[in-house]
Amino acid sequence: QQQVKQSPQSLIVQKGGISIINCAYENTAFDYFPWYQQFPGKGPALLIAIRPDVSEKKEGRFTISFNKSAKQFSLHIMDSQPGDSATYFCAAFTQGGSEKLVFGKGTKLTVNP
Amino acid sequence: EAGVAQSPRYKIIEKRQSVAFWCNPISGHATLYWYQQILGQGPKLLIQFQNNGVVDDSQLPKDRFSAERLKGVDSTLKIQPAKLEDSAVYLCASSPLGLGGRGLNYGYTFGSGTRLTVV
Repeated sequence: QQQVKQSPQSLIVQKGGISIINCAYENTAFDYFPWYQQFPGKGPALLIAIRPDVSEKKEGRFTISFNKSAKQFSLHIMDSQPGDSATYFCAAFTQGGSEKLVFGKGTKLTVNP
Repeated sequence: EAGVAQSPRYKIIEKRQSVAFWCNPISGHATLYWYQQILGQGPKLLIQFQNNGVVDDSQLPKDRFSAERLKGVDSTLKIQPAKLEDSAVYLCASSPLGLGGRGLNYGYTFGSGTRLTVV
């Protein structure tokens, strides 16, 4: 059972463009939604995170939009740069008993110069 | 601060052989996680430790996988015997927060992983 569904699987954007990655979840007990960035040969690194009581969070060129009623959230990368080329994972934090992150399948972003 | 250290970086073994991975978390981090990342997929939690106790191992294939956390610090993950489908990157992560504690900056710090190839 995939608890966090992520799309698209891959994305190609021109330098300066906007990259948009979408995620949807089912479990309403999730209360923390981070995004991770992973470069080849490296572990995922926390990029930005949001709680469901906030509809939007912006950090530099990265923005999370959150729609609690639709159980969807998205990552927007403004003015995309070639250095942003990486795999991006959305995740959700599950309550109750153990605390663990559940990851989406990832989006491979390529930003062309 | 030093990051999460993992070794080896790469390992190639034949099926039915055994293999062990080592992780040294960030100093003082109470919680340690082992994730399996199959090519093209997101990380999947295998086991979670709080200090040296197991909190969650529900997705650990216990017939072949085992893990321990020595004195609440370093951890080892072992596979015996390995199968072809175990080929993946094994990621270790640590967090300073224990159960019930999380803030908006809650985030695991991941190591670079061990890439296992079973042939």
